[in-house]
Amino acid sequence: TQLLEQSPQFLSIQEGENLTVYCNSSSVFSSLQWYRQEPGEGPVLLVTVVTGGEVKKLKRLTFQFGDARKDSSLHITAAQPGDTGLYLCAGLTYNNNDMRFGAGTRLTVKP
Amino acid sequence: NAGVTQTPKFRILKIGQSMTLQCTQDMNHNYMYWYRQDPGMGLKLIYYSVGAGITDKGEVPNGYNVSRSTTEDFPLRLELAAPSQTSVYFCASSPLRASTDTQYFGPGTRLTVL
Repeated sequence: TQLLEQSPQFLSIQEGENLTVYCNSSSVFSSLQWYRQEPGEGPVLLVTVVTGGEVKKLKRLTFQFGDARKDSSLHITAAQPGDTGLYLCAGLTYNNNDMRFGAGTRLTVKP
Repeated sequence: NAGVTQTPKFRILKIGQSMTLQCTQDMNHNYMYWYRQDPGMGLKLIYYSVGAGITDKGEVPNGYNVSRSTTEDFPLRLELAAPSQTSVYFCASSPLRASTDTQYFGPGTRLTVL
């Protein structure tokens, strides 16, 4: 079982639509990161959130860290084909002090 | 700057063979990491290093060894390859601990063990 559960696993939408993907856990994290990975490449960091309830915006992407620091969401407004990729969340655990990754949400945005 | 480079890009091994996955970074980062990524399972940390001469186990270290003789290089060694080690391997580096700083990933090595 994954420490971090990401949903949905796959998402296919049309250009211009809005979407939200989720990263959930029963564990508390000291910080959480979101990455985007394209085929044949390594993940690229999008954002780090460290405070419960924190909201960060990166152009059309909005990231939220849950108040209890157990979950996070990524909302994309007016999705574009360039947003296509695998979105991964990763959290730093308090007990192990290491980063744990979710399995990812594979997003396809059709023109 | 090249960032994080990994070689080879692809490799097929027979069961029981050994090999070394190479990783080099030119950003003078203290922290380096090795992950494996299996379909539908996300990335799992194999080993990490906080500086030259210092390494530590991650979540899935069994079957692997590492060394860190220089700041730039962090090779991953597979001694007796097994089919369970078929995966995509990513090396990453960061100036500070990954949780508070950006990790820069290499392009990956796709390994198949038959």
